[in-house]
Amino acid sequence: AQSVTQLDSQVPVFEEAPVELRCNYSSSVSVYLFWYVQYPNQGLQLLLKYLSGSTLVKGINGFEAEFNKSQTSFHLRKPSVHISDTAEYFCAVLSGGYQKVTFGIGTKLQVIP
Amino acid sequence: DGGITQSPKYLFRKEGQNVTLSCEQNLNHDAMYWYRQDPGQGLRLIYYSQIVNDFQKGDIAEGYSVSREKKESFPLTVTSAQKNPTAFYLCASTAAGGDKNIQYFGAGTRLSVL
Repeated sequence: AQSVTQLDSQVPVFEEAPVELRCNYSSSVSVYLFWYVQYPNQGLQLLLKYLSGSTLVKGINGFEAEFNKSQTSFHLRKPSVHISDTAEYFCAVLSGGYQKVTFGIGTKLQVIP
Repeated sequence: DGGITQSPKYLFRKEGQNVTLSCEQNLNHDAMYWYRQDPGQGLRLIYYSQIVNDFQKGDIAEGYSVSREKKESFPLTVTSAQKNPTAFYLCASTAAGGDKNIQYFGAGTRLSVL
């Protein structure tokens, strides 16, 4: 079975501070991992993805994530957040043999001026 | 511009009424998906279709129906059997090939009950 856990439902952070949004997954086989962002009343858009290769993945808007197989984690980081980063962030996993992506419940990032 | 168009943006359902949410894509994607989003519950898969004239139930298909008569269209009907339809509905699609696992989303339809 595949599953994904986002440990924090809300993360408040001051503008220009660093942020880490945590994601852990469960799978017994190889995985593809994704982070999506959703702005209010909009659909989701892809921030970054890990399919294979380098474990450090860089995405749009200055975000990056690191795939850690031993800890089954794929945490999202940004060294300095901006007000415009206020949104909900979803981690997602697709395991080998599965046809469907499983999404986490989301983490709301609130950037405080 | 290529993308996924969902309509309407807002929809109201009366008791006992069926309503249909539209999803159209011009990305030439093979697979299409419907998700339901409720606060604090993330995205839950309702139905998905990998090719025309074929579709499978997702995790919460009860009270919903779909059709896939054309590659570019995947409408979702919320039937009167769905007792708690108020939610944000998202349609998505994926391409074949190297990027087949990346989902592209529409802007969503917010359904409320009158």
